[in-house]
Amino acid sequence: DVKVTQSSRYLVKRTGEKVFLECVQDMDHENMFWYRQDPGLGLRLIYFSYDVKMKEKGDIPEGYSVSREKKERFSLILESASTNQTSMYLCASSWQGGFGGYTFGSGTRLTVV
Amino acid sequence: AQTVTQSQPEMSVQEAETVTLSCTYDTSESDYYLFWYKQPPSRQMILVIRQEAYKQQNATENRFSVNFQKAAKSFSLKISDSQLGDAAMYFCAYWGSARQLTFGSGTQLTVLP
Repeated sequence: DVKVTQSSRYLVKRTGEKVFLECVQDMDHENMFWYRQDPGLGLRLIYFSYDVKMKEKGDIPEGYSVSREKKERFSLILESASTNQTSMYLCASSWQGGFGGYTFGSGTRLTVV
Repeated sequence: AQTVTQSQPEMSVQEAETVTLSCTYDTSESDYYLFWYKQPPSRQMILVIRQEAYKQQNATENRFSVNFQKAAKSFSLKISDSQLGDAAMYFCAYWGSARQLTFGSGTQLTVLP
């Protein structure tokens, strides 16, 4: 069964901490994505990557960075966590010609206190 | 930029009945894909159905079908013979030349026994 695995289901961090959210896929997909999900706003794209060591900003990149050192792993980094980054974070992957058919992880619910 | 609008934050349906979820989108592109994704309480996003804009025929997947009106930029999802397991958040999404999914704000579907 193909999978996108997010390392934590729930996470509580303090304001100002550096936070790492990890995502690993086992499908050899080229494309990987990080979304943020908030009630009434749907999913908003933070960053995405079409290849190793490649990254592109999405719609809401402020306060975030990413790292993709290996094809299967895409990390989202909150450089200095703030309370307005409390949210659900979803990772997804697709093959290069996936035309929107993404495979999603189960999400990390992050609370910043 | 493309936008996707879901005007029904919540819907409910009686078990075994039919329900239609609405979605409209805004784009100047002629070639694109539209999706409905389902997010049950487990949080795992699942692809329900996909429609290619160049195809006039409406997509169907078992009890799920769409009404795609390209000129009106409308893409509704019909669920027939609703089951308790259909209860979830449903997201409409657009995929075009930017090669990223843009999501609507979601519709929470409740299925009443």
